[in-house]
Amino acid sequence: AQTVTQSQPEMSVQEAETVTLSCTYDTSENNYYLFWYKQPPSRQMILVIRQEAYKQQNATENRFSVNFQKAAKSFSLKISDSQLGDTAMYFCAFIRPQGAQKLVFGQGTRLTINP
Amino acid sequence: EAQVTQNPRYLITVTGKKLTVTCSQNMNHEYMSWYRQDPGLGLRQIYYSMNVEVTDKGDVPEGYKVSRKEKRNFPLILESPSPNQTSLYFCASSPFAQGDRGRAFFGQGTRLTVV
Repeated sequence: AQTVTQSQPEMSVQEAETVTLSCTYDTSENNYYLFWYKQPPSRQMILVIRQEAYKQQNATENRFSVNFQKAAKSFSLKISDSQLGDTAMYFCAFIRPQGAQKLVFGQGTRLTINP
Repeated sequence: EAQVTQNPRYLITVTGKKLTVTCSQNMNHEYMSWYRQDPGLGLRQIYYSMNVEVTDKGDVPEGYKVSRKEKRNFPLILESPSPNQTSLYFCASSPFAQGDRGRAFFGQGTRLTVV
């Protein structure tokens, strides 16, 4: 079974700083998809970024980028020029390439951006 | 506006009193799922559906039922709720296309308390 681990329960940085959230996963699959989802205080789950394992290039979305290390099974999220609106719970997630649409989530990292 | 609508957003009930949480999506997605979110555990899948009349168990199905009679609706039923089902519940829908695999759209969440 696949597992996803986020070892940082909480993080806090100052506005405009860069912050990196860590995620590791375990799978025997060669192809899969990885995600970062954001959950602000409103509770709404929002997709931040998506990475396909067979693509070597790291995904980027504006200020958000990932460092995908397939051999190490590591998938970290970097937020550049952090903003107050980035304050949220961040979940790393994994899904197999076929079969049931089941996202396997990590425990979450609560990120606070301080003014 | 594309959305997944869950109701109610908050619910307090007593042990053993049957309840239903409704979920409806307007994006014509084939896949729908229910997750529960608990502190330190992230989100875990309860049940999923790949299409009308096709449902299957996720990782934590005990004490829950679902049905998929129409493509847009996927209610979650707790026939005899117990305190250990106190949690935050999310409904999610996803399109079938492989290029969108794992790209889930979530409802606003339902905070359930069973006393």
